[in-house]
Amino acid sequence: GEDVEQSLFLSVREGDSSVINCTYTDSSSTYLYWYKQEPGAGLQLLTYIFSNMDMKQDQRLTVLLNKKDKHLSLRIADTQTGDSAIYFCAESHSSASKIIFGSGTRLSIRP
Amino acid sequence: NAGVTQTPKFRILKIGQSMTLQCTQDMNHNYMYWYRQDPGMGLKLIYYSVGAGITDKGEVPNGYNVSRSTTEDFPLRLELAAPSQTSVYFCAISRGDIAGGYTFGSGTRLTVV
Repeated sequence: GEDVEQSLFLSVREGDSSVINCTYTDSSSTYLYWYKQEPGAGLQLLTYIFSNMDMKQDQRLTVLLNKKDKHLSLRIADTQTGDSAIYFCAESHSSASKIIFGSGTRLSIRP
Repeated sequence: NAGVTQTPKFRILKIGQSMTLQCTQDMNHNYMYWYRQDPGMGLKLIYYSVGAGITDKGEVPNGYNVSRSTTEDFPLRLELAAPSQTSVYFCAISRGDIAGGYTFGSGTRLTVV
């Protein structure tokens, strides 16, 4: 079945880059997403990548997709305290109306 | 546009009680979803709807019911609350165009004691 795996925690120093990793099992995935959840709030779509792309950049965010290894990563450059949140990896495929979410990675920022 | 509105934000229920979690959207999206979020477990799909009058089970539907009589509303009903239903519940909507992802409500935190 479909599964999305992420590590639960990541701690980085303010100003460093954060790299959050994700693996998925469904080789027919069409879209892969990164969502951000701040405390007490719902999930907010950060960015997504279509499966025929291998990289997408949006300001401080860089998404890398290795389709062969079914590996997705999110790099946040110059990490700030406002980036503290839980980051969810997710995937879907075009024949389904549902998105499958990973367990989320809690990013904490050290001064 | 409020987007997706969930009520209540918090609720404590006793075992065996029932309640309805409300979800209303003003974006005219056809697709609506209910997820529950348990600590360290990510989101699990409870029920979803692809349009008014149509609902389908997700991964964890037991103990819940839904209805979709209008495009705007997608209430989630708990009939006999159990401690295992203690969770944060999120309603989400989408156009059905998966590239757009979901828009989430701010959640309902439910505790069953």
